[in-house]
Amino acid sequence: AQTVTQSQPEMSVQEAETVTLSCTYDTSESNYYLFWYKQPPSRQMILVIRQEAYKQQNATENRFSVNFQKAAKSFSLKISDSQLGDTAMYFCAFVSGTYKYIFGTGTRLKVLA
Amino acid sequence: NAGVTQTPKFQVLKTGQSMTLQCAQDMNHNSMYWYRQDPGMGLRLIYYSASEGTTDKGEVPNGYNVSRLNKREFSLRLESAAPSQTSVYFCASSEFGSPLHFGNGTRLTVT
Repeated sequence: AQTVTQSQPEMSVQEAETVTLSCTYDTSESNYYLFWYKQPPSRQMILVIRQEAYKQQNATENRFSVNFQKAAKSFSLKISDSQLGDTAMYFCAFVSGTYKYIFGTGTRLKVLA
Repeated sequence: NAGVTQTPKFQVLKTGQSMTLQCAQDMNHNSMYWYRQDPGMGLRLIYYSASEGTTDKGEVPNGYNVSRLNKREFSLRLESAAPSQTSVYFCASSEFGSPLHFGNGTRLTVT
């Protein structure tokens, strides 16, 4: 079975600092996609970043970047220059040819002023 | 520019009652999904429909049924609600490999 593991239930970071959220996954497939989603208290699910497994280059979106290690099945999210608005739950997700989008259990990130 | 629309936003049921959660998307996506979100458990897939005319079980399908009514609509039915089904339910749609687009969620309480 395909699984996604986020081993950090909670993290905190000082405003303007950098934080890295961990995600590992398990699959036997070679073609798949990975995502990070942000869920603020409003409960809305917001896409942060997307990575295609066949692309070796790590995806970046402004202050958000990933470290994609395909051999290690690791997909961590780095948030630079953290802002108070980054306070949220962050979910890692995976999809392969089964069409099932599988999510991790989430990391609650708190940015401290 | 509606995206994915879920109804209702809130619902309270008594044990044993039935209800249907409605979901519609206007992005012409082929695939649609139902998730439940519980504290500490992340989002767990209940059922999905990879394309119109197909439905498949996800991680936690027991106690639920679904209907892919057409390409736009995908409903989730609770035939006999149980307290364990108290949760926040999300509908989502996508094309394969693209990000999921989520509805705003339904908070369901079963007493």
